[in-house]
Amino acid sequence: GAGVSQTPSNKVTEKGKYVELRCDPISGHTALYWYRQSLGQGPEFLIYFQGTGAADDSGLPNDRFFAVRPEGSVSTLKIQRTERGDSAVYLCASSFGGPPNTGELFFGEGSRLTVL
Amino acid sequence: SQKIEQNSEALNIQEGKTATLTCNYTNYSPAYLQWYRQDPGRGPVFLLLIRENEKEKRKERLKVTFDTTLKQSLFHITASQPADSATYLCALPQISFGAGTTVTVRA
Repeated sequence: GAGVSQTPSNKVTEKGKYVELRCDPISGHTALYWYRQSLGQGPEFLIYFQGTGAADDSGLPNDRFFAVRPEGSVSTLKIQRTERGDSAVYLCASSFGGPPNTGELFFGEGSRLTVL
Repeated sequence: SQKIEQNSEALNIQEGKTATLTCNYTNYSPAYLQWYRQDPGRGPVFLLLIRENEKEKRKERLKVTFDTTLKQSLFHITASQPADSATYLCALPQISFGAGTTVTVRA
């Protein structure tokens, strides 16, 4: 497809488990972003990649969260030892360029994570 | 830290009226602001980008203004329609999104 693809669309897991969320950006987009969105809130920035490298990971809440983009395309957000507070919709977005000339962000539909 | 505030959580208006949404920002001097639309269960969709040297930007029935002195952007939906019902998000480049304003247009 032509848009940003995220899998799984829904993930239910138990507290303490490990979770991986995948993002397939629009082809040719060098910048990739991960956000987390809780009900009634705007997207909260987690991490931004320019190519293969994490250009800004200041939004990752703690060391249980990690993301990779080994070939500069698909990215995986990894959450270790999940906690109930990690429950949210995780959004991925891509764009042609990154800061300071970020243009339109193209978002995926999100991965809804529920930690029981 | 950089902060964005949007004026209210919900705005209910009659079809045909103009909806006006406010976005205020602090501790930042952005080169531009972006506005997105988000429908329930969907990812945000880009609507408009306005640069600091632009006072106003229009797209169909949408109008955005940017006042760097007031540190404020206004988003207007003119001749509103029920299909405009959604949550509208103001965003500083890359980092910060507002909580959004949910607009409901009554037929």
